[in-house]
Amino acid sequence: DSGVTQTPKHLITATGQRVTLRCSPRSGDLSVYWYQQSLDQGLQFLIQYYNGEERAKGNILERFSAQQFPDLHSELNLSSLELGDSALYFCASSPRGNQNTEAFFGQGTRLTVV
Amino acid sequence: DAKTTQPNSMESNEEEPVHLPCNHSTISGTDYIHWYRQLPSQGPEYVIHGLTSNVNNRMASLAIAEDRKSSTLILHRATLRDAAVYYCILNLNAGGTSYGKLTFGQGTILTVHP
Repeated sequence: DSGVTQTPKHLITATGQRVTLRCSPRSGDLSVYWYQQSLDQGLQFLIQYYNGEERAKGNILERFSAQQFPDLHSELNLSSLELGDSALYFCASSPRGNQNTEAFFGQGTRLTVV
Repeated sequence: DAKTTQPNSMESNEEEPVHLPCNHSTISGTDYIHWYRQLPSQGPEYVIHGLTSNVNNRMASLAIAEDRKSSTLILHRATLRDAAVYYCILNLNAGGTSYGKLTFGQGTILTVHP
């Protein structure tokens, strides 16, 4: 158990809909990262937050947004969903959010868009 | 971005050592070398990381070449539980700022035979 909790574990929704994925980081970790894993693209970095502020952005679509709340949990919002958004979405947390520290990943949310 | 090159797959027998190679010839002086693994149906799991010196922890050892253009992850006694995809990742220092985001490649699929 990494200490990172993601909910829900599975989500099935229709095209055009909007969903929210939730992540609770390990206790004390200030940085949260979101990653997407699909069969054709592999694991891709989406976005990073550190202590409530956006710190780095990757290949995140404009239809996607995220935020980190004062209690440090984070949410990833996916809207106008398309079939191609079906993927595993992982959240990771790290104590300092820099390159000299490990990241701890949750078990992921499997999103299926039908 | 600096890239890594890993063999697509490797095989090992249980209780034997495994040496997983990684080439990163374009590494810069401030990039950390990280290894993560992903077991089937799970999120990535941190294994080890280092900058210049060899590193040991309870899971593995990391041997870094003197010129830092390659590294080797060493599992001292492989178990069936070590069967996973192993990712060698350069954790970059982007223009003097360290974010900790991970850029995953295709990794090496390790098969462990009983």
